[in-house]
Amino acid sequence: DIQMTQSPSTLSASVGDRVTITCRASQSISSWLAWYQQKPGKAPKLLIYKASSLESGVPSRFSGSGSGTEFTLTISSLQPDDFATYYCQQYNSYSPTSTFGQGTKVEIK
Amino acid sequence: EVQLVESGGGLVQPGGSLRLSCAASGFTFSSYSMNWVRQAPGKGLEWVSYISSSSSTIYYADSVKGRFTISRDNAKNSLYLQMNSLRAEDTAVYYCARRDFWSGYPFDYWGQGTLVTVSS
Repeated sequence: DIQMTQSPSTLSASVGDRVTITCRASQSISSWLAWYQQKPGKAPKLLIYKASSLESGVPSRFSGSGSGTEFTLTISSLQPDDFATYYCQQYNSYSPTSTFGQGTKVEIK
Repeated sequence: EVQLVESGGGLVQPGGSLRLSCAASGFTFSSYSMNWVRQAPGKGLEWVSYISSSSSTIYYADSVKGRFTISRDNAKNSLYLQMNSLRAEDTAVYYCARRDFWSGYPFDYWGQGTLVTVSS
């Protein structure tokens, strides 16, 4: 099974900061990686798919990069609405199974 | 507007059973694969099960294999999860999530979740 490891687990930042979250896969997943944002008591929201494609309606301050085993989610200028937990997910078009990272909580510094 | 609404959660004793439902609207349900994802209190997301649009392909996480059964009724635009032999570690919020599998798309719409608590 493919394991997904996110770092850091918690990140303290201020409004306006550039924030980067890393996700590593235990084996190559090409570009089959998604990023989600989750706020307390709410369902996850898709931000990025296929490693770097921005989901419709998601602000352009969010971007994704990487391929193979190492991926990053970047928030170019952190906004008050961005304080949340972020999850990466490996998925692909040939296996219906899926694995999430353990999450990164972005909190106010 | 795409909507997914889960129901059926509640308190159940260890070893008991529960059936979750997910009512879909706002899209052609029969064209999409569906998934169940769960989140234990204060923990991360765990994929639980997948069912293809026609029900021909079904997958489970090892943690629930042999105890949970996923199914769907395309005529009723509904997804189900039959959970048997429940354990304390099954306590979680259970989400249904849509996936356009053949387009290489991940989970784009999620329900609001239903809480399952397994406790004596």
